[in-house]
Amino acid sequence: SQELEQSPQSLIVQEGKNLTINCTSSKTLYGLYWYKQKYGEGLIFLMMLQKGGEEKSHEKITAKLDEKKQQSSLHITASQPSHAGIYLCGADSGAGSYQLTFGKGTKLSVIP
Amino acid sequence: GAGVSQTPSNKVTEKGKYVELRCDPISGHTALYWYRQSLGQGPEFLIYFQGTGAADDSGLPNDRFFAVRPEGSVSTLKIQRTERGDSAVYLCASSQGLGELFFGEGSRLTVL
Repeated sequence: SQELEQSPQSLIVQEGKNLTINCTSSKTLYGLYWYKQKYGEGLIFLMMLQKGGEEKSHEKITAKLDEKKQQSSLHITASQPSHAGIYLCGADSGAGSYQLTFGKGTKLSVIP
Repeated sequence: GAGVSQTPSNKVTEKGKYVELRCDPISGHTALYWYRQSLGQGPEFLIYFQGTGAADDSGLPNDRFFAVRPEGSVSTLKIQRTERGDSAVYLCASSQGLGELFFGEGSRLTVL
């Protein structure tokens, strides 16, 4: 079965600093999803990556899928307190798959 | 509705009791998913519905867990003879085909 490892497990940064969260898969990634979760709330979809080398950005958040399609990174530029939360990567196992396997998440705290 | 709605948001029950958790997906979404998230972990897949039928229930941990979606919209997750290990946040998600899953805010179950 596919396993996703996220690093770091937790991260504390000063407001305005840049940061990167990594997600490494034990198998080739076909679809890689990034979600954000705040305590007591559901998951909020951020981005989906499918092609090796693909990069997507939304506001100050950029996600990349490496060429070999076994690792993804999420980069936040000029972090703000609103970026605080748990970031989860999820992956599907192949074409036509609907079941997502999630990593354990990275807890981000942003200090004003 | 505008988003995925789950009720109750919190449920405290005693060991051995029966529990029902409800999910109202986004209108028109044919696919519905149940996930379970324990503290400090990512969501784990339980069951997937396409329309009224359970297309994949391989994630249900044992026969105490059962889910239905009789009219292809609202779904109910049923847990019999609850155990303390069942305590978790139960997340429901829906989608229109493959791709982005829209999650509800979850039902937090505590079994005393």
